[in-house]
Amino acid sequence: DGGITQSPKYLFRKEGQNVTLSCEQNLNHDAMYWYRQDPGQGLRLIYYSQIVNDFQKGDIAEGYSVSREKKESFPLTVTSAQKNPTAFYLCASSRTGLSNQPQHFGDGTRLSIL
Amino acid sequence: GQQVMQIPQYQHVQEGEDFTTYCNSSTTLSNIQWYKQRPGGHPVFLIQLVKSGEVKKQKRLTFQFGEAKKNSSLHITATQTTDVGTYFCAGEHSGGSNYKLTFGKGTLLTVNP
Repeated sequence: DGGITQSPKYLFRKEGQNVTLSCEQNLNHDAMYWYRQDPGQGLRLIYYSQIVNDFQKGDIAEGYSVSREKKESFPLTVTSAQKNPTAFYLCASSRTGLSNQPQHFGDGTRLSIL
Repeated sequence: GQQVMQIPQYQHVQEGEDFTTYCNSSTTLSNIQWYKQRPGGHPVFLIQLVKSGEVKKQKRLTFQFGEAKKNSSLHITATQTTDVGTYFCAGEHSGGSNYKLTFGKGTLLTVNP
């Protein structure tokens, strides 16, 4: 089945620790996105990548970092600089980076602070 | 930053009643997309509207894009329990980067059987 796989489903972070969320897609899509979802807040864009080896900051990039070394992979690191990391993180992809393309979402990773 | 406002935040209906959620932007949108997220799930793309005044239907769902391309609505006729979830609109502001969608905060629909 083609789709987007996010892992792990649940993740716990200790104070001062960096954690990395995995996102893999086998849809052969050029563009990938990371969103953060908080209750009642909708989806807020953290980072996006239109093509391999390129990525751009979204609206709430502070405290996060990404890489796009392979077309199918777009890992997100939540650094210790992100003071309020507890949230539901969603990865998405689209065929191209243009905004008129539907986005396909993974099942998400729920991150909590220990 | 540019926002897309969505109302209401919550809507509870009896099964069989109609439901409408509205999205509004202060600036013109190039296009608007609608997504549905079931409880505990992830957003799933429903439809995209591009043209001024466009109306599209999917069974009991009717989607509209305003004449000025600043607002949109999703109307569900005769709701069913399977319609439960959060409905999001997402738009790209004209003159923007062409690569970013701005999501509304969503409308959570619950249906009483």
